[in-house]
Amino acid sequence: AQKITQTQPGMFVQEKEAVTLDCTYDTSDPSYGLFWYKQPSSGEMIFLIYQGSYDQQNATEGRYSLNFQKARKSANLVISASQLGDSAMYFCAMRGGFKTIFGAGTRLFVKA
Amino acid sequence: DSGVTQTPKHLITATGQRVTLRCSPRSGDLSVYWYQQSLDQGLQFLIQYYNGEERAKGNILERFSAQQFPDLHSELNLSSLELGDSALYFCASSGLSGTASYEQYFGPGTRLTVT
Repeated sequence: AQKITQTQPGMFVQEKEAVTLDCTYDTSDPSYGLFWYKQPSSGEMIFLIYQGSYDQQNATEGRYSLNFQKARKSANLVISASQLGDSAMYFCAMRGGFKTIFGAGTRLFVKA
Repeated sequence: DSGVTQTPKHLITATGQRVTLRCSPRSGDLSVYWYQQSLDQGLQFLIQYYNGEERAKGNILERFSAQQFPDLHSELNLSSLELGDSALYFCASSGLSGTASYEQYFGPGTRLTVT
C-alpha cells in the first residue's frame, strides 16, 4: 500500500533563512511521482515542484528544491531564503499508478 | 490562477439534501480528479476521470457520484448529505492519465457546509 508521512505538524523559520520540510513515502510501484503543494490561508492548492522516481537529479524550481533520496524513500522540500509569504501549509504527495495520496501536511510559519 | 475553475465557491445546505459541484479543467487537460479536504481526514482522493471514463476510485462514498462530460467538464454529486460531509472539495486536472510525471493543477475549491 502507498503511504506518505510528514512528521512535522508545524515549523518555524526566520525570514531569509532556509528550511527543510520532511516527507517520507512507501510504495511498491516501480514508477511514481512525488509532488509538493502549498496551501496558503486562502485555501487554494499551489503546485510547487515535481520529482519522478527515475529522475537522476534533484528537482529545483526557483527557491524550491526537492532533496530526493530514493533508497531512504524520502523527498524533502527545501525552501531557500524564506519569505513572509511562504507561511502556509505544505503537502507532500505521491502519485503511483492512477492514485495520488497526500501527507497530513506541515504548517510553516516564517518569522520577521 | 491554475486555469481550473470550480463552481460554486461556497455552498450551504441541510442534511439529507443533494448538491452538485462543477469543475472545468485546464484547456487541453483530459484528466479530472476530485478530492475532499476535511479537518479530521486531511486531503482524500475521491475519484479520477480520463476523457469521460472513470479511471480510478479512492475513498468515495456510495452516496457520492461523479461524471465527466464530452466537453471534459466534470460534476461531483453528493446526496443524502450528512454533517460530516462538510469539507472543501477540490477538483484538479492534468494532461494524461496513468503517467506519474504529470502534475495536477487544482481549482480554488468548493466549500460545502452541511447544517
